[in-house]
Amino acid sequence: DQQVKQNSPSLSVQEGRISILNCDYTNSMFDYFLWYKKYPAEGPTFLISISSIKDKNEDGRFTVFLNKSAKHLSLHIVPSQPGDSAVYFCAAKNAGGTSYGKLTFGQGTILTVHP
Amino acid sequence: GAGVSQSPSNKVTEKGKDVELRCDPISGHTALYWYRQSLGQGLEFLIYFQGNSAPDKSGLPSDRFSAERTGGSVSTLTIQRTQQEDSAVYLCASSPARRAYEQYFGPGTRLTVT
Repeated sequence: DQQVKQNSPSLSVQEGRISILNCDYTNSMFDYFLWYKKYPAEGPTFLISISSIKDKNEDGRFTVFLNKSAKHLSLHIVPSQPGDSAVYFCAAKNAGGTSYGKLTFGQGTILTVHP
Repeated sequence: GAGVSQSPSNKVTEKGKDVELRCDPISGHTALYWYRQSLGQGLEFLIYFQGNSAPDKSGLPSDRFSAERTGGSVSTLTIQRTQQEDSAVYLCASSPARRAYEQYFGPGTRLTVT
């Protein structure tokens, strides 16, 4: 049962353009969402997050949008740079209980930004 | 400061052997997590420690998998009688108490069972 889904395995974008990475979830108990970036042979690094009480969070070139009714979030990178080329994981946290801190990850999207 | 470290970085073992994977979290981080990433898959949660106790072991795939954490710091993930389906990258993460969901990951241990 895949509770967090990233349906696009890969995305290719020209440098300077916008990259939009999408993520869908099914569990309405998720209350916090995060994006992680992963380079080969390294662990994922935290990029940006959003609480379920918000619909937008911006940090420099990165903006995350949350549509709770559609159970959908997206990460926008503007402008895209070649150094952004990596695997991007969407993750979600379940509210409370013994699962506090446990993250459920999507399968990842490989972003390639061409110079 | 130092990040999360894991050892070994790579481990090749024969089917049926036991393996131990080590994680050194960021100093002062009270929460520690183990995940694994199989080829082409996302990260799969295995176990979560708060201090030395493990309130959530729900992700351990079988009783061949166990983990412990001592002194609120180093953690060891042990896989007994390894199987080929155990081949994956095993990732450890730690987080401070107040922002437990913003986890800092180590580089992982790539386990290959032949």
